[in-house]
Amino acid sequence: DGGITQSPKYLFRKEGQNVTLSCEQNLNHDAMYWYRQDPGQGLRLIYYSQIVNDFQKGDIAEGYSVSREKKESFPLTVTSAQKNPTAFYLCASSTRQAGYTFGSGTRLTVV
Amino acid sequence: AQSVAQPEDQVNVAEGNPLTVKCTYSVSGNPYLFWYVQYPNRGLQFLLKYITGDNLVKGSYGFEAEFNKSQTSFHLKKPSALVSDSALYFCAVRGLTGNTGKLIFGQGTTLQVKP
Repeated sequence: DGGITQSPKYLFRKEGQNVTLSCEQNLNHDAMYWYRQDPGQGLRLIYYSQIVNDFQKGDIAEGYSVSREKKESFPLTVTSAQKNPTAFYLCASSTRQAGYTFGSGTRLTVV
Repeated sequence: AQSVAQPEDQVNVAEGNPLTVKCTYSVSGNPYLFWYVQYPNRGLQFLLKYITGDNLVKGSYGFEAEFNKSQTSFHLKKPSALVSDSALYFCAVRGLTGNTGKLIFGQGTTLQVKP
């Protein structure tokens, strides 16, 4: 079945540590996106990529980095520069005409 | 600039009653409009979309939405609510002019259906 896989489901980060969240899709979608969701809040766009080897900053890119070396993969690194990283992270992909298909999310907690 | 507004943080309805979750939008040109639902600790699931054609769009789980161009609204409706419909609902818009492909999401509306 086609879809988006995010891993891990739960992730714990120590202060000052970089962590990488995985997002893989087999839908042959060109565009991929990373969103952050805080409790009781909507979605905020971190980064997006419309084509391999190209990506753009979203509304809250500071403290995050991404790469898009393959069409299927769009990993997100939460760096130590992100001072408040505890949140639910959602990855999505799309074609230009369609809506988004979302992964099931990664819950990141700072310990 | 494109924007989406969901004016209600929470909507409460009794099981079996009709429900409406409101959404208004602002976009250049003709919009693509979407509704998504999110259950706790899960990703968003697609419910329905409007691109062109009939103003009344039918989607998953008995939901429907009415596109109203003059009021720039796209309210989500269901004739008879179920307790299992309780979740967080997001409206989203993608403009067709200058389209980068990004969806703009509303803040979300929590739907509580009580038995």
